[in-house]
Amino acid sequence: GDSVTQMEGPVTLSEEAFLTINCTYTATGYPSLFWYVQYPGEGLQLLLKATKADDKGSNKGFEATYRKETTSFHLEKGSVQVSDSAVYFCALSASNTGKLIFGQGTTLQVKP
Amino acid sequence: DTEVTQTPKHLVMGMTNKKSLKCEQHMGHRAMYWYKQKAKKPPELMFVYSYEKLSINESVPSRFSPECPNSSLLNLHLHALQPEDSALYLCASSRLVGRKNNYGYTFGSGTRLTVV
Repeated sequence: GDSVTQMEGPVTLSEEAFLTINCTYTATGYPSLFWYVQYPGEGLQLLLKATKADDKGSNKGFEATYRKETTSFHLEKGSVQVSDSAVYFCALSASNTGKLIFGQGTTLQVKP
Repeated sequence: DTEVTQTPKHLVMGMTNKKSLKCEQHMGHRAMYWYKQKAKKPPELMFVYSYEKLSINESVPSRFSPECPNSSLLNLHLHALQPEDSALYLCASSRLVGRKNNYGYTFGSGTRLTVV
């Protein structure tokens, strides 16, 4: 079945460091891909998305590119801030059911 | 209005209590969802409503009872819960169900439930 695999955390970075969180997927067909962010004590917020191969999603300085050849959707940010500390979930929408399938989540902690 | 509103934000209940969680959206979304989330884990799907009808029940115990009174409202009725049911309960909605979704889901902020 469809699945999403994220790098294990926690990831601890200093402020202004470069961030990469790896995400790979297994899916039938051509799913849509998403990154959600969950700040402490809150629900999930859609951070960015891509709906077809080579699409780049971007928001708030974060970027991810839909790579069909490597079945990946890695999240990147050039310079992280303390306020980016959160749990990040990679997810896909299955092409036949629309069901949202999540990765395990990666905790990011940014230190001043 | 681009939000999903959940009430209450926090709930403490005893194992013999009956309580309800509420969820509301006014985006015209025709699919609504209940998820359960334990700390630092991904959300686990519990129920899916499509056009106000229950379409998916992920083998959830009967002490959880969903209800969709209309296209904007979703309730989760709780009865005789166990301490292990303590979690964050998230409501979500989406434009589409049953096929590829290019828009994602919109999540509420959740209800933090503690069963004592």
